[in-house]
Amino acid sequence: QQQVKQSPQSLIVQKGGIPIINCAYENTAFDYFPWYQQFPGKGPALLIAIRPDVSEKKEGRFTISFNKSAKQFSLHIMDSQPGDSATYFCAASRNSGNTPLVFGKGTRLSVIA
Amino acid sequence: NAGVTQTPKFQVLKTGQSMTLQCAQDMNHNSMYWYRQDPGMGLRLIYYSASEGTTDKGEVPNGYNVSRLNKREFSLRLESAAPSQTSVYFCASRFPGQGIFSAFFGQGTRLTVV
Repeated sequence: QQQVKQSPQSLIVQKGGIPIINCAYENTAFDYFPWYQQFPGKGPALLIAIRPDVSEKKEGRFTISFNKSAKQFSLHIMDSQPGDSATYFCAASRNSGNTPLVFGKGTRLSVIA
Repeated sequence: NAGVTQTPKFQVLKTGQSMTLQCAQDMNHNSMYWYRQDPGMGLRLIYYSASEGTTDKGEVPNGYNVSRLNKREFSLRLESAAPSQTSVYFCASRFPGQGIFSAFFGQGTRLTVV
């Protein structure tokens, strides 16, 4: 049973476009939702994270939107650049405990000039 | 400050051979994790250690064993490698507690079993 479902699997946008990646979760005990960015040959790196007490969080060009009632959250990349081309993973966990992060299957983003 | 260090970075094994993947973190984190990454499958948890002296199975533990040697080090052992274990393996560490504390990943070990 997949606890975090991520879509789409791949995404191609023009430079300056706003790619949106969506995730849905099932476990209502989850209270920490990070997004990771991974470049080829590298390990995943934390991009931005949100707790369910807020509906939106912005860091630079990256925004997380969170809908607690729908159990969904999404990543928006404003003014996307070719350097944003990477694989993005959403994840979820119970932050206050020792439970591991559960990851979505990833979205491969290509930003073309 | 190195963060999470994995060795080796690349390895080719023959079916049936054994090997140990090493992971060390210098961030004084309590929790450590081993994930494998396969195309289209995302990151799947193999084993984790919530604190020194404890280990627990994750989603895909079969064919693997782990050792939490001390607070810094968490190793993953393949006793008899199989082609299905060809994958990229990532170690991660995390400090669980109040506030947002994320997991930090190593650079990965790319393992091929022939």
